[in-house]
Amino acid sequence: GAGVSQSPRYKVAKRGQDVALRCDPISGHVSLFWYQQALGQGPEFLTYFQNEAQLDKSGLPSDRFFAERPEGSVSTLKIQRTQQEDSAVYLCASSLREGRGNTEAFFGQGTRLTVV
Amino acid sequence: AQTVTQSQPEMSVQEAETVTLSCTYDTSENNYYLFWYKQPPSRQMILVIRQEAYKQQNATENRFSVNFQKAAKSFSLKISDSQLGDTAMYFCAFREYGNKLVFGAGTILRVKS
Repeated sequence: GAGVSQSPRYKVAKRGQDVALRCDPISGHVSLFWYQQALGQGPEFLTYFQNEAQLDKSGLPSDRFFAERPEGSVSTLKIQRTQQEDSAVYLCASSLREGRGNTEAFFGQGTRLTVV
Repeated sequence: AQTVTQSQPEMSVQEAETVTLSCTYDTSENNYYLFWYKQPPSRQMILVIRQEAYKQQNATENRFSVNFQKAAKSFSLKISDSQLGDTAMYFCAFREYGNKLVFGAGTILRVKS
């Protein structure tokens, strides 16, 4: 497809379980972002990749969150020992160049994570 | 740190009428970029319009236009001739000369027939 693809679209995890969320950016896009969107709130930045390099991970809420993009294309956001406060929609976005200025970021449809 | 404030949690408008969504932001930067995104129930963020801070002219995209007041740090979105398909959550977002977007809390817009 031509857009950003995220899988799964929905994930229910038991508290304490590890989860992995996948993002397939638009082919050729250099930059990739992860955002966390709590119910009724705006997205909040988690981390940013330029190709395979993770240039900013300042938004990751704890060391239970880990992201990677080993070959500069597909990215995985991993959450270890999930807790209820991790329940949110996780959005992935990609952009053609390094994300400066008005470079448009294209978003996927997100993964809704529910921790029970 | 940059912050974005959307003071209207919900707005309603009759079909074919005009509605304005408010957004203010706080930054010490001089060069930055502002965006309005639309998020329908499908959850996919769609870019509606963008504004570069160094441009004084307000951006327009068909029925969508902005009122950018740099000194007041205000960036409102006007939707003319509202359509039922405009019903969605709207987010104002800020990007400095860097990478990440900072979003407001959003405004739910309902267009009524």
